[in-house]
Amino acid sequence: EPEVTQTPSHQVTQMGQEVILRCVPISNHLYFYWYRQILGQKVEFLVSFYNNEISEKSEIFDDQFSVERPDGSNFTLKIRSTKLEDSAMYFCASSSWDTQYFGPGTRLTVL
Amino acid sequence: DAKTTQPNSMESNEEEPVHLPCNHSTISGTDYIHWYRQLPSQGPEYVIHGLTSNVNNRMASLAIAEDRKSSTLILHRATLRDAAVYYCILRLSSNDYKLSFGAGTTVTVRA
Repeated sequence: EPEVTQTPSHQVTQMGQEVILRCVPISNHLYFYWYRQILGQKVEFLVSFYNNEISEKSEIFDDQFSVERPDGSNFTLKIRSTKLEDSAMYFCASSSWDTQYFGPGTRLTVL
Repeated sequence: DAKTTQPNSMESNEEEPVHLPCNHSTISGTDYIHWYRQLPSQGPEYVIHGLTSNVNNRMASLAIAEDRKSSTLILHRATLRDAAVYYCILRLSSNDYKLSFGAGTTVTVRA
């Protein structure tokens, strides 16, 4: 069964450093999403992406965040200058219609 | 986003049915009722969705009240693997809309 994959599974970085989280969505999907979940809190929407552009973003998704689909298979989330409060699980999802399929997540730890 | 209300937690015995209620009294006519679940240390996983009629799939059943102001997710025979947080989410019929997660219902299954 096709699945969404994410790399790395765990990323540790120093405050102020740039990180790139990578996702490979399901191959025939056209809609892509990033969510995050701070430890012990609910899953929060960050951004949705369709047709090579952002279709919706949340207040969390400020100028420090960017997304890109650099080729036909990868979907990336970049945080330019990480803060301590960016420490969270980051989930990528993709969909072709109603159902979103989530990856296993990347645990980002900012020290 | 229209709001949903779910109990914080529910317990069940293995092999017994689990009925998870969700209230959504402000639901609009175009909102679909989606259920996702999140197993420990994993990304959210689609369970089922419906609009007006009851729905069944291999994972669960969804019973929707006639006035659509509430619904119930039914796990017919709970297994230990069904221990998870279950989220009831209202979503417009579209492939490009974020999922707004609440706190969900934490289901514990006793062996």
